[in-house]
Amino acid sequence: EPEVTQTPSHQVTQMGQEVILRCVPISNHLYFYWYRQILGQKVEFLVSFYNNEISEKSEIFDDQFSVERPDGSNFTLKIRSTKLEDSAMYFCASQTSGVGDTQYFGPGTRLTVL
Amino acid sequence: DQQVKQNSPSLSVQEGRISILNCDYTNSMFDYFLWYKKYPAEGPTFLISISSIKDKNEDGRFTVFLNKSAKHLSLHIVPSQPGDSAVYFCAASLLIWSTSYGKLTFGQGTILTVHP
Repeated sequence: EPEVTQTPSHQVTQMGQEVILRCVPISNHLYFYWYRQILGQKVEFLVSFYNNEISEKSEIFDDQFSVERPDGSNFTLKIRSTKLEDSAMYFCASQTSGVGDTQYFGPGTRLTVL
Repeated sequence: DQQVKQNSPSLSVQEGRISILNCDYTNSMFDYFLWYKKYPAEGPTFLISISSIKDKNEDGRFTVFLNKSAKHLSLHIVPSQPGDSAVYFCAASLLIWSTSYGKLTFGQGTILTVHP
């Protein structure tokens, strides 16, 4: 069964450094998402992406964040200058198209900012 | 953001019995609801969904009930099995095309423990 994959599974970085989290969505999916979950808190929406552009972004998704689909298969989330409060699990999700389609989530990347 | 709430942080059930997980929402624009199951160190796994035109959807041991007037939905698992032990998240989205299409708003999650 096709699945969403994410790399790395765990990323440790120093505050102020740039990180890139990578996702490979399911191949025939057209809508892509990033969510995050800070330890002990809800899963929160960050950004949605369709047709090579951002469809919607949350208040969390400020200028330090960016997303890209560089090669038609990967979907990346970049944090330019990490802060301590960026420490969280980051989940990528993808969806085919059409109303009511299910979002399928990847296993997540645990980001630890020291 | 408290648009989707799961007021019970945990639920403990005996194997073979029914598990009922509850979820409330406040945004009347939500019209598509999903339940996800999550194990530690894994991503959420889709379980079952329901659109606002229905009041019930069933898939094997899992049934979701939607009460639009009360803005309440519930997930029933019958019979419960030890392998069902996980965190269960309720999520909501807009079904109709909008700028928020696809964005899921999650509840806090309920930890279900099914005892043998």
